[in-house]
Amino acid sequence: AQKITQTQPGMFVQEKEAVTLDCTYDTSDPSYGLFWYKQPSSGEMIFLIYQGSYDQQNATEGRYSLNFQKARKSANLVISASQLGDSAMYFCAMREEGTGNQFYFGTGTSLTVIP
Amino acid sequence: SQTIHQWPATLVQPVGSPLSLECTVEGTSNPNLYWYRQAAGRGLQLLFYSVGIGQISSEVPQNLSASRPQDRQFILSSKKLLLSDSGFYLCAWRRPGLATEQYFGPGTRLTVT
Repeated sequence: AQKITQTQPGMFVQEKEAVTLDCTYDTSDPSYGLFWYKQPSSGEMIFLIYQGSYDQQNATEGRYSLNFQKARKSANLVISASQLGDSAMYFCAMREEGTGNQFYFGTGTSLTVIP
Repeated sequence: SQTIHQWPATLVQPVGSPLSLECTVEGTSNPNLYWYRQAAGRGLQLLFYSVGIGQISSEVPQNLSASRPQDRQFILSSKKLLLSDSGFYLCAWRRPGLATEQYFGPGTRLTVT
């Protein structure tokens, strides 16, 4: 089974609007971390935000927030006030404490911000 | 501050030729190091990771190999490239610990012809 599932291959959002990128995960490990990365057309992977499985509150970093619903095993990324520079691929990833140092990545969502 | 370097940035190699990609990290010690491959328009495939000098874990059996001769140096190699080895190769590092994120290098775009 896929550890990380991103069901939206492509998304469009109007500039200055908010957008939610979906991510669901599969694990039986009670201790895990969830990560979001941005990959612009240049190819570099940029870390955006982290959520731990024991964190009580949703993570936030500037315009990025993580809507963490543990019972549903979802970790959706919310980008508020979209900017043209937000156009990129976005990847959700997970690391389980029990499996050591591996990171599992989803297939990504391509976000296009429309002016 | 920490910096991660990869070279070369782009590479075009014929089938059957050898490969050596290098990754180095500055500003940290004893990092966990990773090699990923990304096919065009696809997600990341973990190839190798290392928790210390000489310690390599392979995730996908193939004609690639990795080595870590020094604490902050990670090398990806092949004796004979295949067409299917084409892709974008990313090196990443992280501090040990559950809550630590990975930081990626700029990547190497490899085309096997």
